[in-house]
Amino acid sequence: TQLLEQSPQFLSIQEGENLTVYCNSSSVFSSLQWYRQEPGEGPVLLVTVVTGGEVKKLKRLTFQFGDARKDSSLHITAAQPGDTGLYLCAGVANYQLIWGAGTKLIIKP
Amino acid sequence: SQTIHQWPATLVQPVGSPLSLECTVEGTSNPNLYWYRQAAGRGLQLLFYSVGIGQISSEVPQNLSASRPQDRQFILSSKKLLLSDSGFYLCAWGKMNTEAFFGQGTRLTVV
Repeated sequence: TQLLEQSPQFLSIQEGENLTVYCNSSSVFSSLQWYRQEPGEGPVLLVTVVTGGEVKKLKRLTFQFGDARKDSSLHITAAQPGDTGLYLCAGVANYQLIWGAGTKLIIKP
Repeated sequence: SQTIHQWPATLVQPVGSPLSLECTVEGTSNPNLYWYRQAAGRGLQLLFYSVGIGQISSEVPQNLSASRPQDRQFILSSKKLLLSDSGFYLCAWGKMNTEAFFGQGTRLTVV
């Protein structure tokens, strides 16, 4: 069974702080995606990383794919209340999409 | 551009009643279609996926079924709802098990 473990499960920080969310597995993924979900809505794709060691930036969000394509991280700089939401990672392996359990992030003003 | 529509947004149904949730996709052909269930604030559980008309794969044995009568239509059904069927149901489309694009979700409460 392929698992994708996200940590932390829950994070509550003050506006302006930095944070990192992790997504780890023992499996190798052909690609990995990060999604953000707001309450009562469907997840929205933020980024897809494909190459080992790849780094992608989306404004204050930095996504990195591990060299061995088994793990990924999401770093948010100077978090804002609008970053609040559930962050989900999903990896593609053997033509299946494997989901992490999510990190619930709350940014307090 | 592609869009996905899922309805209704919320639904309250009594135990033992039937269920039909519908999802349609526009702007793409022969998409892979998915039904997920999500526990409050947590990850996604894949219920069904379909790679074509009439082709349904079930990931979890349960009280639910799915059908794909048209290329861009995916329906989630139940003949008799259980309390444990309550949850947030999400329809999604994708290509070849890569990125998934989600509908707005249906909050189902079985009472």
